[in-house]
Amino acid sequence: DQQVKQNSPSLSVQEGRISILNCDYTNSMFDYFLWYKKYPAEGPTFLISISSIKDKNEDGRFTVFLNKSAKHLSLHIVPSQPGDSAVYFCAAIGSSTDSWGKLQFGAGTQVVVTP
Amino acid sequence: DADVTQTPRNRITKTGKRIMLECSQTKGHDRMYWYRQDPGLGLRLIYYSFDVKDINKGEISDGYSVSRQAQAKFSLSLESAIPNQTALYFCATATQRQGDPGELFFGEGSRLTVL
Repeated sequence: DQQVKQNSPSLSVQEGRISILNCDYTNSMFDYFLWYKKYPAEGPTFLISISSIKDKNEDGRFTVFLNKSAKHLSLHIVPSQPGDSAVYFCAAIGSSTDSWGKLQFGAGTQVVVTP
Repeated sequence: DADVTQTPRNRITKTGKRIMLECSQTKGHDRMYWYRQDPGLGLRLIYYSFDVKDINKGEISDGYSVSRQAQAKFSLSLESAIPNQTALYFCATATQRQGDPGELFFGEGSRLTVL
């Protein structure tokens, strides 16, 4: 049973507008949440993360919001650019050293940014 | 040159054949992982290794084996391939010495098709 869910397989957004990607999780033991970005024929690359003790983390055009009570996080991309067209994976992990690198991934959301 | 290199990038094989996917890294990381990506399921962990001679099963290890020949090399074997092992396979590295707990560095992937 998937512990991390991305219910929107695709998202189309106009260049310059905001992209909002959503992610839900079921395991309350997760301590760290991450977003990865993947272009075709490439491996995923780390984008941004957030610890469970925070509710927001911002890095340039990318902001991740965490709502622990709802077990929900979202990634905001503002403004969206054509180079943001990619698949975005939400992932979660526990805090123990044994958990390092052992991510639970969502199914991914394909983002298409149109001119 | 890529920091995490996977070979082969593409492979088509037949049911029952033995297949090895190889991964080498120049990042000097101690931890290495094999994930597989399937449509609608995201990435799932097959095996991981925290150091040479340390091998651990992941979420979906049945039908697979691994070998950590050196700190920089981690290979994945399918002893007798079956069609439902058709997937995109990713090798990844990590280190506790830097970065976030879930920050993995992925190779470009190996696409395996089992007929």
